[in-house]
Order: sequence, then C-alpha cells, then structure tokens
Amino acid sequence: DAGITQSPRHKVTETGTPVTLRCHQTENHRYMYWYRQDPGHGLRLIHYSYGVKDTDKGEVSDGYSVSRSKTEDFLLTLESATSSQTSVYFCAISDQREGELFFGEGSRLTVL
Amino acid sequence: QQQVKQSPQSLIVQKGGISIINCAYENTAFDYFPWYQQFPGKGPALLIAIRPDVSEKKEGRFTISFNKSAKQFSLHIMDSQPGDSATYFCAANYGGAQKLVFGQGTRLTINP
Repeated sequence: DAGITQSPRHKVTETGTPVTLRCHQTENHRYMYWYRQDPGHGLRLIHYSYGVKDTDKGEVSDGYSVSRSKTEDFLLTLESATSSQTSVYFCAISDQREGELFFGEGSRLTVL
Repeated sequence: QQQVKQSPQSLIVQKGGISIINCAYENTAFDYFPWYQQFPGKGPALLIAIRPDVSEKKEGRFTISFNKSAKQFSLHIMDSQPGDSATYFCAANYGGAQKLVFGQGTRLTINP
C-alpha cells in the first residue's frame, strides 16, 4: 500500500467551527489531491498540489483552502464548516502528471 | 460536457456470473479511462485502465471494452466472485490527473 496517512479518520464538529484535515505521504510523490466522496456524486476534486506551495482549485473548491509547506504534507482546511461539507474526504497522491492515483483511507467528517 | 455517466447504481450478480458496468462520456478530448475499485472503509484503488487507441483491454477476469464512436466504455468482470463485491468507479481524463472526472459509482454485490 502507498504510504498515505490521513488524520483524523473521523471527526464530528459543529457548524461554524474550523476544521483541518491532514494528509501525510512517505512516497515523495509530487502531486497531491483532496477529493470528497458523496453518494450519487462519485469523487469530486476539491484542490490539488503540483509541488511545495503550488496549489490550484478543483471542481468543488468553494469553502475550502489548502496548504502544502512540505512535500509530504497536504492540509485541507474548512474555515467555517457547514452541514453541506459533511462527507468522506480522500487524499490521493501520484508521481506523474497523468499517473495512477493512490488514495488514502479517507476521513469521515460530520458537521452538525 | 465534463461528466461521466455511470450505470447501474447498484448491481447484484450470482457467483460465477458476469458483471457489467457501463459508462458514457461527452468530451472527445478524454484520452485515458481508468476504473477504480473501492472496498468499504478503504480508498479507491486502480483496477484497470485503457486509452482510446484500443477497443479492449483484459487483465485476468477484468476486461474494459471501449467504443470510441459511441463514447462509451464498460467494465466486464468474468466469473464474478464474492471478493469482487465493492464499489466501482469509472473515470475519464485528459491533460493531467487534476482533470480526472469520476462516474457516480456502482455498488456491486456478488451473491455466493
């Protein structure tokens, strides 16, 4: 299995609170991604990174921000969580621009 | 035009039977079509992928059939086994993994 660790794996929070999800990789892959998975929607890209401090928006980026200060860490922040952000969040990595994605095990976030 | 439409949403197949999942797309710029397999509580993992210069790709019991003119592709699982029970996602891509678009997913159950 690719060395990807997501934390926390489960979190329950209240509307309006900030939340940060962490993705840590030990593969030294250049590309990192944050997806959300919701029933009926498959996986949708939130943000991605193509290098340290190089990030860009994906399909559903509103309400989310990211940071990548080190190759191995990619943080996803919800500045003020809303109930619509209740979801399972997956981090993925790849070593090529069009390469295979390796996914973490997911972080289940519930916003009450 | 960026969508990939996947059907059926759920599928029940008897052990030993053939499981078939279909996907359709509109964007003719897509040039890479992977299938991901996801077990409960885990992240998706690449199962098999095809490029549009071939009409079929087989890996063990798993086959992708690709119809470029119809803009459709499908996953066939021969001799389906209970261990194949999972959610399957088709996807399509061009110009980098950050443009990977996933289908809605199919929950496959193989009855023993």
